[in-house]
Amino acid sequence: EVQVVESGGGLVQPGGSLRLSCAASGFNVNTVYMSWVRQAPGKGLEWVSVIYTGGGTYYADSVKDRFTISRDTSKNTLYLQLKNLRAEDTAVYYCARGSSLAFDKWGQGTKVSVSS
Amino acid sequence: EIVLTQSPDFQSVTPKEKVTITCRASQTIGISLHWYQQKPGQSPKLLIKYASQSISGVPSRFSGSGSGTDFTLTINSLEAEDAATYYCHQSSGFPITFGQGTRLDIK
Repeated sequence: EVQVVESGGGLVQPGGSLRLSCAASGFNVNTVYMSWVRQAPGKGLEWVSVIYTGGGTYYADSVKDRFTISRDTSKNTLYLQLKNLRAEDTAVYYCARGSSLAFDKWGQGTKVSVSS
Repeated sequence: EIVLTQSPDFQSVTPKEKVTITCRASQTIGISLHWYQQKPGQSPKLLIKYASQSISGVPSRFSGSGSGTDFTLTINSLEAEDAATYYCHQSSGFPITFGQGTRLDIK
């Protein structure tokens, strides 16, 4: 069964760091493009970052230079390193698998709260 | 940035009604437009890809149409389980963007 499971969220102070993980099963993370999408409380969906099969990466302007997407093929896991966190980064972070540029499989999400 | 504007923002509908949600792009995107359903407390689910391509396992009452800048998601014969927020998403260019969402309530 194709599945992605996020982990690593939590409560962090402004300026702090976190690393989110997305463990994949039923497919290899290096054979599809993978994205992170977030959803602030009561708000809509916001794309954060993508990593393509060739390793190319893109970021939303709001997180550029603070977040880093990566993958470990030996662990079949996608990561998102979050640094210099701000209150406006508070959200549920979803890992999503890309299929022909649509997101066909989403995880249950991991919650990140940035507060002092 | 390609802005996607959905209408309406909210709609209250009765079962068996036909529902139409529109998504307008700020510039032409071909057919690089996808639709998702998100129920409360759940992650989004892909309903339609590339404007009109059906997805395995999605009920046939969901259909999509459009190209260029104007797109439509149609739900025929609405069922109570269709109460959710619906989002469009464009993959034509970076940054990837989503519409603001359309919330459907069932009367």
